[in-house]
Amino acid sequence: QVQLVESGGGVVQPGRSLRLSCAASGFSFSSSAMHWVRQAPGKGLEWVSMIWFDGSNTYYADSVKGRFTISRDNSKNTVDLQMNSLRAEDTAVYHCARDPPSSGYAFDYWGQGTLVTVSS
Amino acid sequence: QSVLTQPPSASGTPGQRVTISCSGSSSNIGSNTVNWYQQLPGTAPKLLIYNNNQRPSGVPDRFSDSKSGTSASLAISGLQSEDEADYYCATWDDSLKTLLFGGGTKLTVL
Repeated sequence: QVQLVESGGGVVQPGRSLRLSCAASGFSFSSSAMHWVRQAPGKGLEWVSMIWFDGSNTYYADSVKGRFTISRDNSKNTVDLQMNSLRAEDTAVYHCARDPPSSGYAFDYWGQGTLVTVSS
Repeated sequence: QSVLTQPPSASGTPGQRVTISCSGSSSNIGSNTVNWYQQLPGTAPKLLIYNNNQRPSGVPDRFSDSKSGTSASLAISGLQSEDEADYYCATWDDSLKTLLFGGGTKLTVL
């Protein structure tokens, strides 16, 4: 069955960096675009970033552009999110999500998420 | 302030039909399919409707959507207590080159 498992969250000081990873299994990883979506405590969903199935294109929300970098390794079935210059407002649960071909950017599987807390 | 506008709350009694609206613009809803997610407390979001009224396996046909111009709606018929959750619309924006979520609607079953 399809599984997405995030890791790498934790408590980090403002201005520092953190790298999240999402391990995928149970499907043809190299065929699907992948996304990161976050949810601040008590708030709604916020899309963070997307990477095409082959890694050839990436997109970012304005709120993280220039600070976050998404990457993938199709040989290891992983997608990472490198987060630099972290701010208090980046505090959230970060989910990775699968966007299968021809779905119209529909996320049919989500990981349970990893909590990132940015605090001094 | 989300680019996609949803009402913050909605409510209904068991058996009723409720709708949740999602308003956008020509560069997002007007140009792309709208997807809907349900999020129960403490859980990851779940895909409810995608790609023009398609439902993933296991989602009952009580859930449906529609779109007209730059607005979309999720309809839930035969409301049940387990439908109490947060609902989000989402779509791609061709101008911003980003995916957008609506602000979310908290549905209460009275």
